[in-house]
Amino acid sequence: SQQGEEDPQALSIQEGENATMNCSYKTSINNLQWYRQNSGRGLVHLILIRSNEREKHSGRLRVTLDTSKKSSSLLITASRAADTASYFCATDPGHRGYQKVTFGTGTKLQVIP
Amino acid sequence: DAMVIQNPRYQVTQFGKPVTLSCSQTLNHNVMYWYQQKSSQAPKLLFHYYDKDFNNEADTPDNFQSRRPNTSFCFLDIRSPGLGDAAMYLCATSRVVGDYEQYFGPGTRLTVT
Repeated sequence: SQQGEEDPQALSIQEGENATMNCSYKTSINNLQWYRQNSGRGLVHLILIRSNEREKHSGRLRVTLDTSKKSSSLLITASRAADTASYFCATDPGHRGYQKVTFGTGTKLQVIP
Repeated sequence: DAMVIQNPRYQVTQFGKPVTLSCSQTLNHNVMYWYQQKSSQAPKLLFHYYDKDFNNEADTPDNFQSRRPNTSFCFLDIRSPGLGDAAMYLCATSRVVGDYEQYFGPGTRLTVT
């Protein structure tokens, strides 16, 4: 089963608005990553947040992590049409000898110009 | 530019006819991954190599095999493709399994007729 579940599954907003996506996971993690995927393309890494961090920023992106709730959120501020893509969270359990990142179900974001 | 390259971008094969997808990287990363991604779903890890050490996921069908002849190249062999194997196949690399971001190629879209 998927480690990460994301909501909403789809999100449609106007250009300039903020977009928030949420990711919930089931087991303890070492770090959590967010990736973007444009239609028919590979994934692009956006940001990594470690389990001992609560918030991280990168340009217009803000990621929060709440390990007590096993959840993370990705906020994209001042969205642009070019932000239209699917966004996936990916969790690394960090168990010794366990080497695998599991992707969540994804949120499909549409930014309307 | 350093990157992950996948060839071909689109592959059409017949039911039961063996097919090989290729991936190369100029990043000199230790780890190479193969993912299968079906429409509107999360990428699903098939297997990965940590240097020459091969790691197969428990639920990866026997029909799927992989080869890594050197650091730069990795191949995905599908011995007898079925209609259910039609998907996007993504190759990715990373320096250390789970601790760093993954770099993805553009993917190969496989069609089975």
